[in-house]
Amino acid sequence: EVQLVESGGGLVQPGGSLRLSCAASGFPFGAYDMNWVRQAPGKGLEWLSYISASGTAIYHADFVKGRFSISRDNTRTLLFLQMNSLRVEDTAVYYCVRRKLGGMDVWGQGTTVTVSS
Amino acid sequence: QSVLTQPPSASGTPGQRVTISCSGSNSNIGSNTVNWYQQLPGAAPKLLIYATSQRPSGVPDRFSGSKSGTSGSLAISGLQSEDEADYYCEVWDDSLNNWLFGGGTKLTVL
Repeated sequence: EVQLVESGGGLVQPGGSLRLSCAASGFPFGAYDMNWVRQAPGKGLEWLSYISASGTAIYHADFVKGRFSISRDNTRTLLFLQMNSLRVEDTAVYYCVRRKLGGMDVWGQGTTVTVSS
Repeated sequence: QSVLTQPPSASGTPGQRVTISCSGSNSNIGSNTVNWYQQLPGAAPKLLIYATSQRPSGVPDRFSGSKSGTSGSLAISGLQSEDEADYYCEVWDDSLNNWLFGGGTKLTVL
């Protein structure tokens, strides 16, 4: 079964850091581009970051550039999102998503990040 | 405010055909293909249409996508109650080097 399972979310104070992980299974992880997408409570979807299959191409949304960093470990089939200098407005459900033929076809169940003092 | 503009809401009665628009610019929809996602209440989003008009396996052919110039459209024919959900367009922007989502459209089946 093709599956993405996120972990690492939780409660963090403003200015703090978190590292999200996404464990992939059921498909050749190293052959697919990957993304992180988030959704704040009651709000729409926000694309955050993209990493190519080999890890050589990386893009981040302007509003997280310099604070968030995407990476991957193809040997362990893991995707990461390092989040620093967290703000209250970063509170959201964070999804790990596979990209295939342009569209994002496999989504994890999401992990919740709450930034609050 | 999103670079891609969608109507915040849409509605229709069972059996009806509804369309949801996604308005962008030359650097995104005008240059690239459009993806559409469906998000049912409490669930993760699901890919509905990719590359403007392609359906992943398992997506009913009641759902179709198209684009003209700098606008994309999602059409749902034979509307069913289970289609009540939020719908989002997504496209790559050549100027921003970012993927963009529209603000989302909440579809209500009356």
